Amino acid sequence: DIQMTQSPSSLSASVGDRVTITCRASQNIKKYLNWYQQKPGQAPKLLIYAASGLQDGVPARFSGSGSGTDFTLTLSSLQPEDFATYYCQQSYDIPRTFGQGTRVDIK
Amino acid sequence: QVQLQESGPGLVKPSQTLSLTCTVSGGSINSGGFWWSWIRQSPGKGLEWIGYRSNDGRTYYNPSLRSRLAISLDTAKNQFSLSLTSVTAADTALYYCARGGAVAGTDYSWFDPWGQGALVTVSS
Repeated sequence: DIQMTQSPSSLSASVGDRVTITCRASQNIKKYLNWYQQKPGQAPKLLIYAASGLQDGVPARFSGSGSGTDFTLTLSSLQPEDFATYYCQQSYDIPRTFGQGTRVDIK
Repeated sequence: QVQLQESGPGLVKPSQTLSLTCTVSGGSINSGGFWWSWIRQSPGKGLEWIGYRSNDGRTYYNPSLRSRLAISLDTAKNQFSLSLTSVTAADTALYYCARGGAVAGTDYSWFDPWGQGALVTVSS
């Protein structure tokens, strides 16, 4: 199985901050990488597909980059509604696997 | 817009079969190009992909669960189902159904949308 490792596991930030979350794959997954946002009591929501594609309806302050084994999710200016847990997921191989999550909370 | 909703027993005894159904509204599971998926989430294992099935019968299952797993579609009811046999406490989780799809003309796949989740506890 492809292992997905996110860092950090959690971070504290303020509204307006620029936030960066990293995801590393255990092997080359090209650009087969998605990012999801999960708020407490809710299901995950797709933010970014194919490493850098912005899902319809997702604010442009979210962006993704990377290829191969190293990927980044960036929130350019953190908003109150962005406090949540973020997960990466590879779609290169079966079984599909997820990172362990990065929790973003209020400083 | 497509919406998914899980349903099924919240408590299953060890060694028995866990059965869940996902009802799809706002779209047809007969639509080509989608994979009807199950994913679970637990504190110990995080998010774990279980498997998916397309409307043309292709299935992909997580190898760790394959021997106990079946995913089926009921196109007449616009539902799909999960059956997991011989459950143990390790199968206790929040189970999500989700639609799998891909960027047009590519195999860059994703899961969207997801249902709200159904908590299943395995306990005697």
